[in-house]
Amino acid sequence: EVQLVESGGGLVHPGGSLRLSCAASGFTFSSYAMSWVRQAPGKGLEWVSGISGSGGSTYYAASVKGRFTVSRDNSKNTLYLQMNSLRAEDTAVYYCAKRKPDSTTVTHWYFDLWGRGTLVTVSS
Amino acid sequence: DIVMTQSPDSLAVSLGERATINCKSSQSVLFNSNNQNYLGWYQQRPGQPPKLLIYWASTRESGVPDRFSGSGSGTDFTLTISSLQAEDVAVYYCQQYFSSPCSFGQGTKLEIK
Repeated sequence: EVQLVESGGGLVHPGGSLRLSCAASGFTFSSYAMSWVRQAPGKGLEWVSGISGSGGSTYYAASVKGRFTVSRDNSKNTLYLQMNSLRAEDTAVYYCAKRKPDSTTVTHWYFDLWGRGTLVTVSS
Repeated sequence: DIVMTQSPDSLAVSLGERATINCKSSQSVLFNSNNQNYLGWYQQRPGQPPKLLIYWASTRESGVPDRFSGSGSGTDFTLTISSLQAEDVAVYYCQQYFSSPCSFGQGTKLEIK
C-alpha cells in the first residue's frame, strides 16, 4: 500500500527540540522530492520545508529557516524534520507530503500523497 | 510571496446542487514558457489530511469524480462541484506552486444546506 506515516510529535517546551520522522512505503522513495506541511489548530496549511529525491537540495520557509533541518535516509525510506528553538507558533499538525512528479523543476511544490500527520505542541 | 485569497470563507449548498469556490492570487501563476497555470485544489475532510483534486488549474487527479472541475487562468480560478454529494463536506484549499514558497488559500468550508 502506498502510504506515509509520521511519528515523533509531542509536547515540548519553548526553546526545545524535536525530531519528526515520516516512513514511506509502496513507492520508490528515492525518486521523489518530499516536503513537510503544517497546519496550526483550526487553521490553514503552511509549507515548511522540502528536499529533493537525492537529498542534495533542501528548501525552507522563511519562518523556520535556521531552526529546522530537513533530511532523508533513502536506505530506510524515511524523511526527517529536526526542529530546534521551538516557539509557541510552531504548534501544529505536521504532515509529510510527496511531491507530484512532473517535468518541471522540483521547487514547484504540489502534493499527491499525504500522511495523516503528527501533532507538535509547544507550550510551557 | 504570493498571497492566495479564497471566497467565500464558508458555503452551504443543497444536495445535488452546484457549489462554486473562488480563488485569487496576488500575482499571475501562469508560466508563459509552457502556458500552464501552477494552481491546485485540495479537499480536506474532517480529521483527515488534504487530498489533491485538481492540478494545472483544470487537470483532475486520478480517481477524482468528474463532478469536480477547475477553471481559470492568470490570477482568478474556480473550483466547481456540479452536483453536491454528502461526502463532499470538507474544507477546500487552493494552492499556488508557481513560486517558492508555495502558498495556500485560507480555505473554504463547504456544508450541506
